Amino acid sequence: EPEVTQTPSHQVTQMGQEVILRCVPISNHLYFYWYRQILGQKVEFLVSFYNNEISEKSEIFDDQFSVERPDGSNFTLKIRSTKLEDSAMYFCASSGQGASTDTQYFGPGTRLTVL
Amino acid sequence: AQSVSQHNHHVILSEAASLELGCNYSYGGTVNLFWYVQYPGQHLQLLLKYFSGDPLVKGIKGFEAEFIKSKFSFNLRKPSVQWSDTAEYFCAVTDYNNNDMRFGAGTRLTVKP
Repeated sequence: EPEVTQTPSHQVTQMGQEVILRCVPISNHLYFYWYRQILGQKVEFLVSFYNNEISEKSEIFDDQFSVERPDGSNFTLKIRSTKLEDSAMYFCASSGQGASTDTQYFGPGTRLTVL
Repeated sequence: AQSVSQHNHHVILSEAASLELGCNYSYGGTVNLFWYVQYPGQHLQLLLKYFSGDPLVKGIKGFEAEFIKSKFSFNLRKPSVQWSDTAEYFCAVTDYNNNDMRFGAGTRLTVKP
């Protein structure tokens, strides 16, 4: 069964550094998402991406964040200058159709630790 | 904006006990409803979903959920839990106007052998 994959599984970085989290969505999916889960809190939507542009973003997704689909398979989340409060589990998801009509499939997550 | 409430933060049951986890959402329009499970150290997996049709939805591993529109609820049930059901359970909602998914805070289920 096809799966969403994410790398790395754990990223440790210093405050102020840039990080790039990588995701490979399910190959025939067209919609891509990033979520985060701060330890002990709920899963929060960050951004959705379709047709090479952002379709929705939450208030969390400020100018420090950006997403890109650099090639036909990868979907990345970049945090320009990490803060301590960016420490969280980041989940990528993909769906064949939009979230309003289709199921999202989640990757295993990347644990980001900002020191 | 829609929101999702899961009232049980932590539920502890013995094996073979029946389970019901509550989920309520706030959005009044047409919604899609999901339950995801996160086993310790693993990623979110879809248990079941409701888009339309029969409001009683059956999922994997013997779980089911009932959509009650009048109560804005989508409670998860299992008649007899097993130790292996120990996990975090998340209710989630999408609607026809947005491409985001809203999650509840999650319910941690501990099943004692």
